Amino acid sequence: QTVVTQEPSLSVSPGGTVTLTCGLSSDSVSKINYPTWYQQTPGQAPRTLIYNTDSRSSGVPDRFSGSILGNKGALTITGAQADDEADYYCLLFFSTGPYWVFGGGTKLTVL
Amino acid sequence: EVQLVESGGGLVQPGGSLRLSCEGSGFTFGRYWMSWVRLLPGRGLEWMTNITPDGSEKFYVESVKGRFTTSRDNAGNRLYLQMNSLRAEDTAIYYCARYLVSQVYFDLWGRGSLVTVSS
Repeated sequence: QTVVTQEPSLSVSPGGTVTLTCGLSSDSVSKINYPTWYQQTPGQAPRTLIYNTDSRSSGVPDRFSGSILGNKGALTITGAQADDEADYYCLLFFSTGPYWVFGGGTKLTVL
Repeated sequence: EVQLVESGGGLVQPGGSLRLSCEGSGFTFGRYWMSWVRLLPGRGLEWMTNITPDGSEKFYVESVKGRFTTSRDNAGNRLYLQMNSLRAEDTAIYYCARYLVSQVYFDLWGRGSLVTVSS
């Protein structure tokens, strides 16, 4: 069973920088997994922030950026704002199947 | 307006069945892969199933194989999820989503439909 790992919770100060990561329990994340990042607030549908590792979705502020850091996918928020407080999910693609797996999500607190 | 709207959720007893529907509008529904994703309470998002534009290929997560079936009616711009043998752990908000196969992500989501499995 493929397990995608994320930090359960993180906090950041307003104006600060935070990096969320997306890993695999028994492998490295790379561009062939097409890491995607979603933001979700209570009662709302997920919103796409980053797709294909580092492509920003339309309308997403440039303080959100995606990358591969070491053996993990990463979402960096630079200059965090209060309304960035949300749950963040990464999604990975696996061509052997194919199948798609979400990480468990990171609850980001801005305080 | 480009949108997806789910319907059909509700309360069902363990072992029961339910069919969810998702209507797409504002885009050429029959040209896209479509998907179902659910938000499990306390556990996050789970991809469940994808279906190709013509409905000839379907892919499922292991936890729903043999119990859930996805289908589509392109003439009516609708996606369906037939859920059988429901369990308490299937309680979730169910989203339909449009999948962009060229860019490998779900780009358009519905607002979701709540399914509660309880006696």
